[in-house]
Amino acid sequence: DTAVSQTPKYLVTQMGNDKSIKCEQNLGHDTMYWYKQDSKKFLKIMFSYNNKELIINETVPNRFSPKSPDKAHLNLHINSLELGDSAVYFCASRLEGGKTQYFGPGTRLLVL
Amino acid sequence: DQQVKQNSPSLSVQEGRISILNCDYTNSMFDYFLWYKKYPAEGPTFLISISSIKDKNEDGRFTVFLNKSAKHLSLHIVPSQPGDSAVYFCAASKPGGGADGLTFGKGTHLIIQP
Repeated sequence: DTAVSQTPKYLVTQMGNDKSIKCEQNLGHDTMYWYKQDSKKFLKIMFSYNNKELIINETVPNRFSPKSPDKAHLNLHINSLELGDSAVYFCASRLEGGKTQYFGPGTRLLVL
Repeated sequence: DQQVKQNSPSLSVQEGRISILNCDYTNSMFDYFLWYKKYPAEGPTFLISISSIKDKNEDGRFTVFLNKSAKHLSLHIVPSQPGDSAVYFCAASKPGGGADGLTFGKGTHLIIQP
């Protein structure tokens, strides 16, 4: 009965590769997010998306792109991976009108 | 430019005592504040929240206090239990649909000692 799930949990890859991280929520929420937790442990918003609009944090490189096949999924595609992309990526979701976001378990990405 | 600050990276408290975690913010636009608890290798778990129109919210052993004039909030846990050992993140959001996400502090690692 996992509310927000992410796959894979761990991802090790080489520089220059393209990879995807999947996120699914079974809460019936309307808005989904991607956050990055870097080596300094800050959790920072990357994207938010509902069926109406995608909002991108201006600091996110355009190598990162979210894709939403349906309301319950928001996947993160990363092209041409760089060493600095190594981090933990968290997916979250929120019900429209609510303020609380619910987080997935995280995907630990290591770029070698 | 940290808009949400948790100035204590770690806090050690004896079991049964009160744990007080602090958080300061700089952006007056924030109108809703949340505390999340995070265990290693897991995602943040929502704990308690407070709207800017209130100054206190209580849920069981957890109470959050908000001082808007000081732009300061605190989380009180009483009595502290071993399972409370975790990293606690303070987060804030602005009015509207929350489209710009939550702004997080860096976290405080709470250690409950037996």
